[in-house]
Amino acid sequence: QVQLVESGGGVVQPGRSLRLSCEASGFTFSSYGMHWVRQAPGKGLEWVAVIWHDGSDKDYGESVKGRFTISRDNSKNTLFLQMNSLGADDTAVYYCGRGDGCRGGSCYLDSWGQGTLVTVAS
Amino acid sequence: EIVLTQSPGTLSLSPGEGATLSCRASQSVTSYNLAWYQQKPGQAPRLLIYDASTRVTGVPDRFSGSGFGTDFSLTISRLEPEDFAVYYCQQYGSSPQTFGQGTKVEVK
Repeated sequence: QVQLVESGGGVVQPGRSLRLSCEASGFTFSSYGMHWVRQAPGKGLEWVAVIWHDGSDKDYGESVKGRFTISRDNSKNTLFLQMNSLGADDTAVYYCGRGDGCRGGSCYLDSWGQGTLVTVAS
Repeated sequence: EIVLTQSPGTLSLSPGEGATLSCRASQSVTSYNLAWYQQKPGQAPRLLIYDASTRVTGVPDRFSGSGFGTDFSLTISRLEPEDFAVYYCQQYGSSPQTFGQGTKVEVK
């Protein structure tokens, strides 16, 4: 069955960087666009980024544009999120999700990982 | 960007009762591209409904979605104990995809 496992979260100081990973299994990873969605403590869901199935295109939410970079390695079935210049507002659980039913880069997410917590604090 | 407003914020109901959750969009959602997710504490969201009314395989038929344009709803016909959770709508008809702020369905 589809499985997505995030890793790389932790506590990081403001202004520093962190790289998240999402290892996929149970499906043909290279056939799907992949997303990152985050959820601040006690808050709702915020879409962060998408990467096309072949990595040919990417898009970002306004709050992370210019600071975060999404990438993928289809040979290793792994999705990444490089996060730079982190601030307190970036504190959240970060989920990776598989996209389907897409209109451009906008998709519903039919499978989600369990999430990894990123805490930005000094 | 399309803003989704969910109402009510919290719904207090008893098991066996019906629930209707609303999701209103600031602009028309393209081609019924609206999904509903369920999230329980400490868990990832789970897709329930996509394309406004298509139930995901394995989702009980007490869950149904409807609507078009700017007004959508999720109906739970008879609440089971496992249905008490937070529900989010999401539009994916235009970029950026956006989520509503959520409706919490709690035990009365």
